Amino acid sequence: RKEVEQDPGPFNVPEGATVAFNCTYSNSASQSFFWYRQDCRKEPKLLMSVYSSGNEDGRFTAQLNRASQYISLLIRDSKLSDSATYLCVVNEGSGNTPLVFGKGTRLSVIA
Amino acid sequence: GAVVSQHPSRVICKSGTSVKIECRSLDFQATTMFWYRQFPKKSLMLMATSNEGSKATYEQGVEKDKFLINHASLTLSTLTVTSAHPEDSSFYICSASTGSNQPQHFGDGTRLSIL
Repeated sequence: RKEVEQDPGPFNVPEGATVAFNCTYSNSASQSFFWYRQDCRKEPKLLMSVYSSGNEDGRFTAQLNRASQYISLLIRDSKLSDSATYLCVVNEGSGNTPLVFGKGTRLSVIA
Repeated sequence: GAVVSQHPSRVICKSGTSVKIECRSLDFQATTMFWYRQFPKKSLMLMATSNEGSKATYEQGVEKDKFLINHASLTLSTLTVTSAHPEDSSFYICSASTGSNQPQHFGDGTRLSIL
């Protein structure tokens, strides 16, 4: 199985800061892309899907560059509650195929 | 609301015990579910793909006789950790997708501690 590489963490930022996470994937045939967040000792929760056209959900913006095999997540106006591990996740198939996870990037937003 | 339910959320038992974990899809049918394991401060690792009505597909290094998977209905997959030992202590999570190219949703996870 091919890999998903993420920025090493941790990221420690003050409240209100803008923070960007990057991710690259090695399988050019990958079909769908996601960002999940995982809180300590909890299951991953879907944050957002990622599309080539880019998509925004409130303070969160995700971008996909298929040519560069690069995915990004931008968080604006960071809140304390944004503290979590952010997982870059790739589905290499088109149907019900297993996800490939990055190792995650830990974010700590500090008051 | 949750689309995948997992039970139990926490198990503490003695070495040698077999433990069954259930994963249910809520309000949708899941012909395929996935079982993952996560050790502390490590990434999720796929253990097996559970296929309704057929044998599960195990990842390399995962013992199929140790981790029994049954997917007898379109809404339920079970993972049984047989004769569990302390090294099996981990966070076990299942997931299922509501459709092709749709994101997968995870169950709440089961924290297994073998004494």
